[in-house]
Amino acid sequence: DIQMTQSPSAMSASVGDRVTITCRASQGISNYLAWYQQKPGKVPKRLIYTASSLQSGVPSRFSGSGSGTEFTLTISSLQPEDFATYYCLQHNAYPYTFGQGTKLEI
Amino acid sequence: EVQLVESGGALIQRGGSLRLSCAISGFTFSDYAMNWARQAPGKGLEWVSYISRRYNIVYYADSVKGRFTISRDDARNSVYLQMNSLRDEDTAVYYCAREWPGPDGVDVWGQGTTVTVSS
Repeated sequence: DIQMTQSPSAMSASVGDRVTITCRASQGISNYLAWYQQKPGKVPKRLIYTASSLQSGVPSRFSGSGSGTEFTLTISSLQPEDFATYYCLQHNAYPYTFGQGTKLEI
Repeated sequence: EVQLVESGGALIQRGGSLRLSCAISGFTFSDYAMNWARQAPGKGLEWVSYISRRYNIVYYADSVKGRFTISRDDARNSVYLQMNSLRDEDTAVYYCAREWPGPDGVDVWGQGTTVTVSS
């Protein structure tokens, strides 16, 4: 099984900060990686697909990069509505696996 | 509008069985693979199962293999998750989610249905 190691597990930041979250795959997954945002009690929302493609309707301050085993999600300038938990998901091989999540707090 | 609506969640005794349903609308169901994922209280997301379009190829997480069965009915625009031999650790919100062919992956999720396994 492919393990997805996501870091950090939690972080504090301020409005306007630049934030980077990393997912590392235990083996190569090409670009079969997505990033999701989840707010408490809400459904996960896809932000990025194919590692670097921005989901329609998602603000351009969100960006993704990487291929193979190392991936990053960057928020260029944090807004109040961005405080949430973020997950990566690899869908290159079964079983699909999520990262452990990154809780982004004020 | 794309919609996925799960149902069937309940409070169920350990060892019992439950069938979850996910009804879809707003897109051509037969063109997409479908997944189930879950989230235990206060925990992260866990992928559970996948079913392909057309040929009903299925995959499962090791944690549910042999106990859960995914199926689909394209005529009813629905995907199902039959859950048997339920354990305490199966307590979670269960989500169905649509998957595009190729690298685009899982995009839209339903609102979830809650399964609570109690002794």
